Amino acid sequence: DTAVSQTPKYLVTQMGNDKSIKCEQNLGHDTMYWYKQDSKKFLKIMFSYNNKELIINETVPNRFSPKSPDKAHLNLHINSLELGDSAVYFCASSQARTSGVWGPDTQYFGPGTRLTVL
Amino acid sequence: GQNIDQPTEMTATEGAIVQINCTYQTSGFNGLFWYQQHAGEAPTFLSYNVLDGLEEKGRFSSFLSRSKGYSYLLLKELQMKDSASYLCAVRDLSRRGGSQGNLIFGKGTKLSVKP
Repeated sequence: DTAVSQTPKYLVTQMGNDKSIKCEQNLGHDTMYWYKQDSKKFLKIMFSYNNKELIINETVPNRFSPKSPDKAHLNLHINSLELGDSAVYFCASSQARTSGVWGPDTQYFGPGTRLTVL
Repeated sequence: GQNIDQPTEMTATEGAIVQINCTYQTSGFNGLFWYQQHAGEAPTFLSYNVLDGLEEKGRFSSFLSRSKGYSYLLLKELQMKDSASYLCAVRDLSRRGGSQGNLIFGKGTKLSVKP
């Protein structure tokens, strides 16, 4: 009964390819996120998305695009992969409201996808 | 803009107490989180502070002073399994995201617990 799951766990691919990473949450949360963690372990927000709004970090190249088929899924599609895209990508989700009261909006993370671009 | 600082590495002995400090500068503070991340794993939520003071949760406590832009995570009775990176994260209303602002993470403090 994994709360936030991602596939694949590992992804090795060639420069120039297009790839997708899938994320699913079964927590009933209303907001999902994608983060990138580089080799120095710095965790940086890429996107946040709920059913009303997509917020894009201005530093994210437009080769990266989130796609949400429904509230429980937020997939990350990457076009024309580059060497610098090699990193661990984490999906997360949160719920702002609990029983009508604003909560801490704690984010819960998936297990991560380690992307290696050769 | 925002800036979050925490020590890069710390070492402590099993059974001891360790305090990991975090200072931040942000224009729209709306809460501070501490996460634990073991090597090769996902960050897991430890604590949340939005008001000044101390929040205690078993062996872990977190403190916040909004006027000083300062927080610390206190780990008591250290165990070997506490060896991990500890990430301080500030939610910033000036950076839209989620419903209450984006989380901005510090670079993490790698804690090594030795026998």
